[in-house]
Amino acid sequence: DGGITQSPKYLFRKEGQNVTLSCEQNLNHDAMYWYRQDPGQGLRLIYYSQIVNDFQKGDIAEGYSVSREKKESFPLTVTSAQKNPTAFYLCASSPGANVLTFGAGSRLTVL
Amino acid sequence: KQEVTQIPAALSVPEGENLVLNCSFTDSAIYNLQWFRQDPGKGLTSLLLIQSSQREQTSGRLNASLDKSSGRSTLYIAASQPGDSATYLCAVVDTGGFKTIFGAGTRLFVKA
Repeated sequence: DGGITQSPKYLFRKEGQNVTLSCEQNLNHDAMYWYRQDPGQGLRLIYYSQIVNDFQKGDIAEGYSVSREKKESFPLTVTSAQKNPTAFYLCASSPGANVLTFGAGSRLTVL
Repeated sequence: KQEVTQIPAALSVPEGENLVLNCSFTDSAIYNLQWFRQDPGKGLTSLLLIQSSQREQTSGRLNASLDKSSGRSTLYIAASQPGDSATYLCAVVDTGGFKTIFGAGTRLFVKA
């Protein structure tokens, strides 16, 4: 079955550590996205990529980094510069027509 | 800057009731509008997509309408069931871009 796989589902980070969230899709979609969701708020765009080896900052990119070396993969690194990283992170992809398909999400907690 | 608002933030109804969820957006220049469902701790599932040239879309007991000129969309759920309990999010895509703007969602609880 085609879809988006995010891992890990739960992740704990100590202050000062970088962590990487994985996102893999087998839908052959060109565009991929990372969103952050906080309680009671809408999803906020962190980074997006329209093609391999290219990506753009979203609305809240500070403290995050991404790479897009393969069409199927779009990992997100939460760096120590992100001061409030505890949140639910969602990866999505689209074929270019902006019809988003989402993964199941990764919950990051800072200890 | 496009802003998306969903009212009410939470809604509790008895099973079998028909209900309407509301979504409003500030800039009528949109590419499309999408309604999603999110269960607790899960990702988003697409329910309905309305292109900017369309007025409504239907899927089973769900009907979504779009009025671009007034910046509004509604999601109508007929004969609600306890399994419909979830958070429903509305999202718009601005013309010419890849940015999707989400509302904060309406949390629905259907009582058996």
